[in-house]
Order: sequence, then structure tokens, then C-alpha cells
Amino acid sequence: GIQVEQSPPDLILQEGANSTLRCNFSDSVNNLQWFHQNPWGQLINLFYIPSGTKQNGRLSATTVATERYSLLYISSSQTTDSGVYFCAVVSGAQKLVFGQGTRLTINP
Amino acid sequence: NAGVTQTPKFQVLKTGQSMTLQCAQDMNHEYMSWYRQDPGMGLRLIHYSVGAGITDQGEVPNGYNVSRSTTEDFPLRLLSAAPSQTSVYFCASSPSGAETQYFGPGTRLLVL
Repeated sequence: GIQVEQSPPDLILQEGANSTLRCNFSDSVNNLQWFHQNPWGQLINLFYIPSGTKQNGRLSATTVATERYSLLYISSSQTTDSGVYFCAVVSGAQKLVFGQGTRLTINP
Repeated sequence: NAGVTQTPKFQVLKTGQSMTLQCAQDMNHEYMSWYRQDPGMGLRLIHYSVGAGITDQGEVPNGYNVSRSTTEDFPLRLLSAAPSQTSVYFCASSPSGAETQYFGPGTRLLVL
């Protein structure tokens, strides 16, 4: 089945810093989503982005489907950005496959 | 809209007991799915359904049963709980498997 790899596994930053999270996938996809899991465990949709670029406030995402990767950018980080960021993809059969996540810690 | 709801929020079982985790959505979504999340890991797909009366297995289906008698509900059954099933369980729904998926708040299950 499709493999999803996220990097880095852990990232510790100071408030105000910018960050880039990467998601590589091993096959073509027809669905790619980025999620934020907050410290209370809730999964929050950030982007549905099988291709192209989207922006929402301080967050933006780019997926280059032909090269099989997606990037999540967080600018001017805030402590509330802390948590785990997951990339998940669907390839072929309607099964969402998650990466292992990037744990982001923003220190004040 | 309440979105995706799950009950209970937390449950403790003894090995061999059975239980049903409830999941409901009020968005008229055809696609519903169950995932488990173990510490330090991403979510893994247990079972999914593309519509009422249709279910299929995901990556880790053993030990779990599902049924989909209505569009709104997608319960997950553990017939004989095992300690390896200690996990956090998430239910999700979407208009189709290839569109944005919306997750419930999760059920934390501890099997002793």
C-alpha cells in the first residue's frame, strides 16, 4: 500500500518563528489532507489539498503531486500552534492513510 | 449541526468483555470510517463504509465488527476485548472517501 512519511518527527521553536513541515508519499493520490491534533487530542482539519497551494491566515500548504510531496508552512508561530501535525492521503481505494506526524512545540 | 459525535468519551473494560462504540453524524455524509490511534503513532484505519449497507475492512480490522444500517450511524463492536485494543478510537465522515474528512472527538478505551 501507499507509504506516507513526515519530517521532521519533532520540532521545537520559539514563539514568532516560521516552520516548514514535509509529507512525502509513495504513489499518486486523489486526496491529501493536513490535520492538527491539539494537546486535548482533537483532530482539526487544516487543508484539503491534493494539488496546488492554499492559504489560511498564518498557515499555508503546497502539494506537488507529480513529485509526491506536500509542505505545510506555519508563519509567526504561536504557543497555540503546538501539537501534532498529520498528513493523510487517499490513493485508489477509499482508505485514508496517515503519516506518523510531526510534533511541534512552540515555546513562549 | 453537531457534526460527528462519539460515545462514550472514556471506557474501561476487562479482557473478554464486549462493547459498542457509537458514532453518529448529521451531515448526510455517505462515507464513514473508524480509526485507532496508539501512543506516538498516526491513525490506522479499522473499517469504513461508503454508504448504508456497505462496509469494508481497513488496515487493522481483526477483533472489530461494524454495520451500517442508516446513513447517520456507524457503530464499532468489540466482541471480546483484549489489552491490545487499548487505544483512542476516532470516527470520521465525509461526502465521499476522496473528500475532506471530519473527525469526532474520540473515545479513549482501556482494556485491563
